[in-house]
Amino acid sequence: EVQLVESGGGLVKPGGSLRLSCAASGFTFSSYSMNWVRQAPGKGLEWVSSISSSSSYIYYADSVKGRFTISRDNAKNSLYLQMNSLRAEDTAVYYCARSGEEQWLGNWGQGTLVTVSS
Amino acid sequence: DIVMTQSPDSLAVSLGERATINCKSSQSVLYSSNNKNYLAWYQQKPGQPPKLLIYWASTRESGVPDRFSGSGSGTDFTLTISSLQAEDVAVYYCQQYYSTPPVTFGPGTKVDIK
Repeated sequence: EVQLVESGGGLVKPGGSLRLSCAASGFTFSSYSMNWVRQAPGKGLEWVSSISSSSSYIYYADSVKGRFTISRDNAKNSLYLQMNSLRAEDTAVYYCARSGEEQWLGNWGQGTLVTVSS
Repeated sequence: DIVMTQSPDSLAVSLGERATINCKSSQSVLYSSNNKNYLAWYQQKPGQPPKLLIYWASTRESGVPDRFSGSGSGTDFTLTISSLQAEDVAVYYCQQYYSTPPVTFGPGTKVDIK
């Protein structure tokens, strides 16, 4: 069974940093592209970042470019999101999601809440 | 970026009745070389992560009940729940993966019981 478990969320002040992790199990992690998708409270889904299976291709939403860094460690079956210069508008539940054959998102974690507030 | 819109914003349907959700993309998501529409549908129940229902516009994900069906091509798509069940109360999102990055989602349609 595919499992994705996010961690690392919490309360941080504006301008602060946070590192999210996603532990993957139940599939060959190194064979799949992975994604971070966020959802602000009461709002819709916003794609944040993607990374290919070997980290060769990395993409970011314009809203986080230059502030967030996605990475992965295939030996540890883990995905990461380093978030710097956080803003109030980054407040959201952050989901880790596995890509399908194309860029549909076939499996999602339960999410981790990031709150940016003074 | 491809902009996705959905209609209606919300709908209430009686148990056992049909629910229809529309999704429109700002440009075609039909890839002519393979004749596939790069569109997916997700269901999100309160307090849960989204769940993939359909990809390639009409292919049901494994385990998804057959009362869920997707149709459409090009820029106009529909998700139909043929006989609404209580457990189908959720927000439904469409998503294009034709032109990435970024993948883009519709704003969501909330489905309730009348």
